[in-house]
Amino acid sequence: QVTLKESGPALVKPTQTLTLTCTFSGFSLSTSGMRVSWIRQPPGQALEWLARIDWDDRKFYSTSLRTRLTISKDTSKNQVVLTMTNLDPVDTATYYCARLPVRSGSYDYWGQGTLVTVSS
Amino acid sequence: DIQMTQSPSSLSASVGDRVTITCRASQSISNYLNWYQQRGGKAPKLLIYVASSLQSGVPSRFSGSGSGTDFTLTISSLQPEDFATYYCQQSYSIPHSFGQGTRLEI
Repeated sequence: QVTLKESGPALVKPTQTLTLTCTFSGFSLSTSGMRVSWIRQPPGQALEWLARIDWDDRKFYSTSLRTRLTISKDTSKNQVVLTMTNLDPVDTATYYCARLPVRSGSYDYWGQGTLVTVSS
Repeated sequence: DIQMTQSPSSLSASVGDRVTITCRASQSISNYLNWYQQRGGKAPKLLIYVASSLQSGVPSRFSGSGSGTDFTLTISSLQPEDFATYYCQQSYSIPHSFGQGTRLEI
């Protein structure tokens, strides 16, 4: 059974750095073709793709946010970590991690999401 | 970056209706197009992948078609649980952009 779960602070102050952890089970990120992405959704708005990490440690980022994002993985812990620097209130959103197997090219399993509010 | 545009942004329909949602890519994405359903503030759920393949467990009233730049999601006979927001997403190139969503209302 595949599961993913996001964790991190619910409230962050402007200019601070956000660290989110995606802990997953039921698959391995060391398996060829496996990938995990982070996607966010501001309240009442559309989904926005943020970053992806692949089984071979290749990393990809949103064009507009690449200078503020870092994605990494700990295969032994079955975790993917996203850091975002210099937070602003517009970064208030629900942050999701999702699995992307290369065979389907689609996000077939998602975490429940974690709401992050940026406010002083 | 590839831009994904959905139409309509919102749609009112009734149980039993047939509805179609359209998604257009700003450049050709072959068939690397996926559809998701999002209900009640929950995480999105995969419905259709590579334009027309039905995800396991998804009812057959959902279908997808298209290639290149133009794609459609069709629900053949709306059920009460289908009233939700639908998103298209391209996985042809990074960044994996989403459409702005189509809200399907009763």
